[in-house]
Amino acid sequence: AQSVTQLDSQVPVFEEAPVELRCNYSSSVSVYLFWYVQYPNQGLQLLLKYLSGSTLVKGINGFEAEFNKSQTSFHLRKPSVHISDTAEYFCAVSAPMKTSYDKVIFGPGTSLSVIP
Amino acid sequence: GAVVSQHPSRVICKSGTSVKIECRSLDFQATTMFWYRQFPKKSLMLMATSNEGSKATYEQGVEKDKFLINHASLTLSTLTVTSAHPEDSSFYICSAMSRSLYTDTQYFGPGTRLTVL
Repeated sequence: AQSVTQLDSQVPVFEEAPVELRCNYSSSVSVYLFWYVQYPNQGLQLLLKYLSGSTLVKGINGFEAEFNKSQTSFHLRKPSVHISDTAEYFCAVSAPMKTSYDKVIFGPGTSLSVIP
Repeated sequence: GAVVSQHPSRVICKSGTSVKIECRSLDFQATTMFWYRQFPKKSLMLMATSNEGSKATYEQGVEKDKFLINHASLTLSTLTVTSAHPEDSSFYICSAMSRSLYTDTQYFGPGTRLTVL
């Protein structure tokens, strides 16, 4: 079974400063990794995903994440945050299964607050 | 592409009534749809998985007789909360996935806020 840990429940950061949201996972098989963003009272929007190939993944809104298999991490980064980035961020993992559905396991979420 | 809609976006009902929530994939055929429940300031909890034309698979601890799921077509899944009670109040989110080539990502609907009085 897979699991996801997001060590930081809340991350305050000043506007235009860089930010890193940490995500670690555990799995005995190869995984797909995702970062989703949720704005208040809305559904989830996919920021980026790692399925295979290059370990550095670029997503929307200037975010990027790097898959590190040895450290089982998939940290999300942005070099300069904006007020509009204030939201809840979820890291997620799934184990692709050819004969069944891909159950996605979500981390507990990190609340990013951008301070003016 | 890959848009998923939910209807209604918000519903308020009396205790004891049943509420149906629709989840539609608008521009792709979803072979699998998922239903999640999210409590305030909490992560998403997978309730069940439905594949078109077959019975839903419920996660441990989720009452299948209370949360009825129907995946009638490749673009529509419904969640019916039967005999709703205040503790069923929550944010319900669906997602849809297509097993078409190169697609292994779930696309989420905007969610439905259920309030049971």
